[in-house]
Amino acid sequence: GDSVTQTEGPVTLSEGTSLTVNCSYETKQYPTLFWYVQYPGEGPQLLFKVPKANEKGSNRGFEATYNKEATSFHLQKASVQESDSAVYYCALGEGMGYKLTFGTGTSLLVDP
Amino acid sequence: DPKIIQKPKYLVAVTGSEKILICEQYLGHNAMYWYRQSAKKPLEFMFSYSYQKLMDNQTASSRFQPQSSKKNHLDLQITALKPDDSATYFCASSQDILGFSGQLYFGEGSKLTVL
Repeated sequence: GDSVTQTEGPVTLSEGTSLTVNCSYETKQYPTLFWYVQYPGEGPQLLFKVPKANEKGSNRGFEATYNKEATSFHLQKASVQESDSAVYYCALGEGMGYKLTFGTGTSLLVDP
Repeated sequence: DPKIIQKPKYLVAVTGSEKILICEQYLGHNAMYWYRQSAKKPLEFMFSYSYQKLMDNQTASSRFQPQSSKKNHLDLQITALKPDDSATYFCASSQDILGFSGQLYFGEGSKLTVL
């Protein structure tokens, strides 16, 4: 079946430093790739999605490029802020897209 | 204000008992879902409903029964509870199930602990 593997957390960074959260996936189909974010006390919410290979998604300074050859979708941000502290989930969806396959999530803590 | 309300936020149950998790969405969406997240595991798809009809069930056990009394409600009844059922259960919704864009809207979750 499908699977998603991402950087194991927690990840602790200082404000202003750069972030990379690795995400690799396995599937036999051509998925849409997603990053979801979950802030403390809230449910996960969509950060952005990318439906096509070699395209980039971005939102709130975060970005990721759909690399079909490497089956990767790494999340990056050049300069993190304390407000970015959250859990980040990589996910893939295919076929009936509501059935998303999630990674285990990466907890990010940004120190001021 | 939360647009998807899940109740209760936390619950503790004893093995063998039964619980119902409540979910109401006020987004006007036509499709609703349940996902589960056990400790150290990914969010896992359980059920999808569209216009109150079951579309997909990925849960092997019949102990998990979704119930939709209204279009914006999707409750989850769990019977004969086991410690392995301990998890956070997330309700989610989307505008429609077909042509789905990938934007799921999640509730805050109901954390179930089974002793």
